[in-house]
Amino acid sequence: GENVEQHPSTLSVQEGDSAVIKCTYSDSASNYFPWYKQELGKRPQLIIDIRSNVGEKKDQRIAVTLNKTAKHFSLHITETQPEDSAVYFCAANLGNFNKFYFGSGTKLNVKP
Amino acid sequence: NAGVTQTPKFQVLKTGQSMTLQCAQDMNHNSMYWYRQDPGMGLRLIYYSASEGTTDKGEVPNGYNVSRLNKREFSLRLESAAPSQTSVYFCASKGGAQETQYFGPGTRLLVL
Repeated sequence: GENVEQHPSTLSVQEGDSAVIKCTYSDSASNYFPWYKQELGKRPQLIIDIRSNVGEKKDQRIAVTLNKTAKHFSLHITETQPEDSAVYFCAANLGNFNKFYFGSGTKLNVKP
Repeated sequence: NAGVTQTPKFQVLKTGQSMTLQCAQDMNHNSMYWYRQDPGMGLRLIYYSASEGTTDKGEVPNGYNVSRLNKREFSLRLESAAPSQTSVYFCASKGGAQETQYFGPGTRLLVL
């Protein structure tokens, strides 16, 4: 099966700085990699995703990069704001199947 | 559209009691999922249903059963609850193979 590892488990940055969260996966057949943001007491919500035929994707202050050879992908948040404070999860699907495996999460704290 | 809905929102059980968690989606999605979320462990897949009429085990299926009642509804049953099943349970659904999962609001379960 798939194994998704996520680092760091906690990340504290000053408002306006950048934040980077990294994930690695084990199944070379995985081809879809979403990132979720979960605020305290709320459901996970998709913030950005990337497919294996793309190396990078941006959406305003958020970007995701994928290195298929090394089997790792990263979330980049620029110009962080206090409302970015949350837990972020990466995930990878299992080849062409419908199963997803999640990383253990990164708690991001943006200090004003 | 309500999206993905779950009932109940919160439940307290005694060890050995049984209960069923309900999930419904109105997005005409084929696939539905049950996850549990424990502190520091991210989201772990319990069972999933790739399409109406099929169900498959995920990472942590022991102690649970599921029923895909129809395309809209996917229920999770605990036959004999144990304290180790204290967790937050999320239901999710998605359309095709490389599409976003949408999560329900979660059910917080406490087993005493």
